[in-house]
This record gives sequence, structure tokens and C-alpha cells, in this order.
Amino acid sequence: DVQLSESGGGLVQPGTSLRLSCAASGFTFNNYAMSWVRQAPGKGLEWISGITGHNTATYYTDSVRGRFTISRDNSKNTLYLEMNSLRAEDTAIYYCANSLHVVVPAAAEHWGQGTLVTVSS
Amino acid sequence: QSALTQPASVSGSPGQSITISCTGTSSDIGAYNYVSWYQQFPGKTPQLMIYDVNRRPSGASIRFSGSKSGNTASLTISGLQAEDEADYYCSSYTNRATVVFGGGTKLTVL
Repeated sequence: DVQLSESGGGLVQPGTSLRLSCAASGFTFNNYAMSWVRQAPGKGLEWISGITGHNTATYYTDSVRGRFTISRDNSKNTLYLEMNSLRAEDTAIYYCANSLHVVVPAAAEHWGQGTLVTVSS
Repeated sequence: QSALTQPASVSGSPGQSITISCTGTSSDIGAYNYVSWYQQFPGKTPQLMIYDVNRRPSGASIRFSGSKSGNTASLTISGLQAEDEADYYCSSYTNRATVVFGGGTKLTVL
């Protein structure tokens, strides 16, 4: 069975940093693009970042570009999201998801359970 | 990167068919066949129901189907059941190599 498990969320102050991890199992990790999607409390889904299966390219939505960095370690079957200069509006549940495609981070087939990030003073 | 436009809510009676629209632009839905639809129950993780406009992932109900015309994609649920009551989100790949979601549609089964 495919499993995705996020960790690293928590309560942090504005302006600080946090690193999320997503451990993957049950599929050939480097065959699929991966994404981070977030959902603020009571709001809709927002795609924030993606990375190709073979780590050849990374993509970001405008609101996080320059502050967040996505990466992956295919030898450890793990996806990461380094988040810097956190703002109150970054408060959300952060999900990792695997794409059905190698390059295009669309079609998120499997999702983790999510990790809550709360940015507040 | 503007969100795709979905109706805030739709409703239908058991056994009926309903369609949820998702309107984008020539930079996203109109440019690629990478439209997906997700179902999300309150407090639960989203589930992929349709991908690449009209393909169903393994395990998805055949009552769910997708289509696209120009800059608008649609999700149709036939033979509506009470268990279909949930929030539905569309998404599309864009010409900036990003993914954009719609605002979500709450489906009520009357």
C-alpha cells in the first residue's frame, strides 16, 4: 500500500523557519513528481510547490516563491519543504501528495494525513 | 495565479445527475489536458476522483466522469447517492508549470 506521512509541523512565531518532511513507501518514489498542498482552516486547497520525480526541476506558487524550498532525497524516499520567513497567512494543514506523472505535478493520487503549521505570536 | 472558478454549491436528489463546472483560462484548462477533480469530506484527506480530464484512478466510482470544452472543465456525478455529499475541487496544470485549484463546490444531496 502507498503511504505518505508528513511530520515537522507545529506552532511557530512569524518570521521564523520550519522544515516539513514527508516519508513515502509502497511505490517507486523517483518515478513520480511530488507536491505540497496546503489548506487553511475552513478554506480550500492551495497547491504551493512541486518537484519532478528525478529532481530535475522545482515549481512554486507566487505566494511562497523565494521563501519556501522543496526538495527530495530519492535514496531515502523522502520529500521536504523548507519554509522561511513564515507569515500568519501560512497557517494551514500541509499535505504532501504524489502525482500520477513523472514530470508534471498534477493528478495527486495519494495524500498524506497532513501536518498542521500554525504561525502566531 | 488566479484560482479556477467553481460554483460555491450545487445540490441534487438521490438518483439524479449533477454537473460541477470549473472555469479557467487559456493558460491552464484551455492549454493542457491535466485537469483533476478531488472529493473531500469534512476533516478528511482529499481523494482523487478524475485526472487528465476524464480518466478515473483505480478504485474511483464509475458514476464519476469528467470532460472539458475550451477553458471549462466539468465533473458529472450520475446516480447521485447520499454518500456523495462532500466538497469537490478541480485543479489544472498551468503554463507556468504550476498547479491551480478551484475554490471548491459543496455538494448537497437533498
